[in-house]
Amino acid sequence: DGGITQSPKYLFRKEGQNVTLSCEQNLNHDAMYWYRQDPGQGLRLIYYSQIVNDFQKGDIAEGYSVSREKKESFPLTVTSAQKNPTAFYLCASSIRRGTDTQYFGPGTRLTVL
Amino acid sequence: QKEVEQNSGPLSVPEGAIASLNCTYSDRGSQSFFWYRQYSGKSPELIMSIYSNGDKEDGRFTAQLNKASQYVSLLIRDSQPSDSATYLCAVERAGNNRKLIWGLGTSLAVNP
Repeated sequence: DGGITQSPKYLFRKEGQNVTLSCEQNLNHDAMYWYRQDPGQGLRLIYYSQIVNDFQKGDIAEGYSVSREKKESFPLTVTSAQKNPTAFYLCASSIRRGTDTQYFGPGTRLTVL
Repeated sequence: QKEVEQNSGPLSVPEGAIASLNCTYSDRGSQSFFWYRQYSGKSPELIMSIYSNGDKEDGRFTAQLNKASQYVSLLIRDSQPSDSATYLCAVERAGNNRKLIWGLGTSLAVNP
């Protein structure tokens, strides 16, 4: 059963803590993405990766870090430098970057206490 | 001017009616266009992609693209209460830094 999984579904973080959000796909897609969604602001691109061991900053990368050590996995770390991390985080993948359709995981809702 | 604009709604239609959702974009070089549906608290799911001028039909959904006028629309025929959701338009930005540009979405309510 192919798809994209994200964990955890809900995550609570204390201020000053780093947290890592998991994203795994078994679609054999080359490209993976992280978005952040806030009410009234739409989807904003945090980071993307076109191939293993390569990733690029998106529009709002400050306070976030990623890695792409395996094709299937693209974890996102929300660091303490991210001043307003409470949001809905969405991971997506596509066969290739660019014109290809993006498919989304179920999302992780992060709340800073 | 925003790169991708959608009327935020809410758009309210009675059950069985046609819902019409519109999206305009600013990049004349864009070649790929997508409609996603997002239920409250859930992630976006693809409804349809369209790449050529004209209409593309899939079941109750029809996407319409007019590159000269820079708009793409989504028609939902025989609207059902289960169609109540936010509909996101995404447009590929052309050029060296290709990526999808997302609209803020249109909220649709289908009333029984």
